[in-house]
Amino acid sequence: GEEVAQTPKHLVRGEGQKAKLYCAPIKGHSYVFWYQQVLKNEFKFLISFQNENVFDETGMPKERFSAKCLPNSPCSLEIQATKLEDSAVYFCASSQFRGRGQPQHFGDGTRLSIL
Amino acid sequence: AQTVTQSQPEMSVQEAETVTLSCTYDTSENNYYLFWYKQPPSRQMILVIRQEAYKQQNATENRFSVNFQKAAKSFSLKISDSQLGDTAMYFCAFMISGAGSYQLTFGKGTKLSVIP
Repeated sequence: GEEVAQTPKHLVRGEGQKAKLYCAPIKGHSYVFWYQQVLKNEFKFLISFQNENVFDETGMPKERFSAKCLPNSPCSLEIQATKLEDSAVYFCASSQFRGRGQPQHFGDGTRLSIL
Repeated sequence: AQTVTQSQPEMSVQEAETVTLSCTYDTSENNYYLFWYKQPPSRQMILVIRQEAYKQQNATENRFSVNFQKAAKSFSLKISDSQLGDTAMYFCAFMISGAGSYQLTFGKGTKLSVIP
């Protein structure tokens, strides 16, 4: 598609439950990035992929967060045993090439609310 | 590590007037890219403008222009003829060129309100 598609738009989970977010990058884009925007508007980089390979996972909390980009499937970000502090908007972005200042095109985000 | 600072949490401007949003950054890299993204209340992240650090010429996109001062590590955004639709959060962002993960490092944003 011509846009980054993120689903669902809003996800509500009780503390301790699992949450799974999905992202379909723009067709032809090889790079996918996940960012977390917390309530104070701060963005935190989580992980990036080149096709189905993890490119950089330095921002991922190791214990509870995992992500995948499998061929012919939307990318996913999964949070096990959610905590109140995981409440945030999670953005997926994609770009066609790596580097060269390629703009990243963002989806509309998934708002995750942990109760 | 790179840091991006937006020192103005909130600003307002009268419709049709000009406003400048400031952004400074800190890096030891020589080759990088800078971006301004707009986030309206709808939450979308919209690319406004992009600047290549090796280019002296300031980028412009219609009513949006930047003042890029590499030595001062400053990258301000000027919005001319402000419109009500410009009301949004504006984020300055930095990306390293060359080897790297190409993640964006964002400032904390400036909330711009355009007043009729």
